[in-house]
Amino acid sequence: AQSVSQHNHHVILSEAASLELGCNYSYGGTVNLFWYVQYPGQHLQLLLKYFSGDPLVKGIKGFEAEFIKSKFSFNLRKPSVQWSDTAEYFCAVNAGGGSQGNLIFGKGTKLSVKP
Amino acid sequence: EPEVTQTPSHQVTQMGQEVILRCVPISNHLYFYWYRQILGQKVEFLVSFYNNEISEKSEIFDDQFSVERPDGSNFTLKIRSTKLEDSAMYFCASSLTGRYSYGYTFGSGTRLTVV
Repeated sequence: AQSVSQHNHHVILSEAASLELGCNYSYGGTVNLFWYVQYPGQHLQLLLKYFSGDPLVKGIKGFEAEFIKSKFSFNLRKPSVQWSDTAEYFCAVNAGGGSQGNLIFGKGTKLSVKP
Repeated sequence: EPEVTQTPSHQVTQMGQEVILRCVPISNHLYFYWYRQILGQKVEFLVSFYNNEISEKSEIFDDQFSVERPDGSNFTLKIRSTKLEDSAMYFCASSLTGRYSYGYTFGSGTRLTVV
C-alpha cells in the first residue's frame, strides 16, 4: 500500500533560518506529489505540486521542493522563514494510473517560527 | 478566489446520534471529496463523488457513512450512528477534473466531537 512519511513532527526555527521538511513516499510507479499548508484555523492550501519535468518545483511564498526519484523523496525547502510561515505542512501523493484522484497524506509537520 | 464552504465549523454530538456535515463546493467543479483528520494523525481519504455517485471510497467509509448531493450545490456527509472514534476534523474538497492537473480546493473543515 502507498504511504507517505514525514519524519519531523514539530520543527521550531527562528526567523531567517532555513527550512527543510522531509517527505518520503512508498510507491514504485508514477506519482504526483504535493505539499499543502494549513495555517491556524484555516483550510488546506496547495503550496506546490510536481507532476513531471524539472524535479525542482517552485511554489508560492518562496517555497520549493525537490523530487528525487531514487530516494522516493520530495523535501520542502525555504531559504529564510518568516513568523507568518508558522503552520502545519502536509506532504501528499497521488499514485498515477486509474486513480480518480484521492490523495494520501503524511502525518504533517508543525512548523513554529519564533520572531 | 472561489472557496469551498463547510458548515458547521464545529459540531458536538452524542454517541449514537446521526450527524450531517455540509459542504458547498466550487460551483463549476465536478469532483467532490471528503477527508478526515483524527487529532494527531494524518489526513485520510474517505470518499470521492462524481456524476451523482461514489467513484471511490476507503475502508473507513463503511455502512455508517453516506454522501449525497441533494440539490446540485450542497455535498453532504452523513454519519448514521456516531461513535467516539468518529471525532475528527472533516474536510470537504472539490476539483474541476478527477486528475490532479488543477488540484483540489479544500474547505476549512468541520470539527466533529462525539461525546
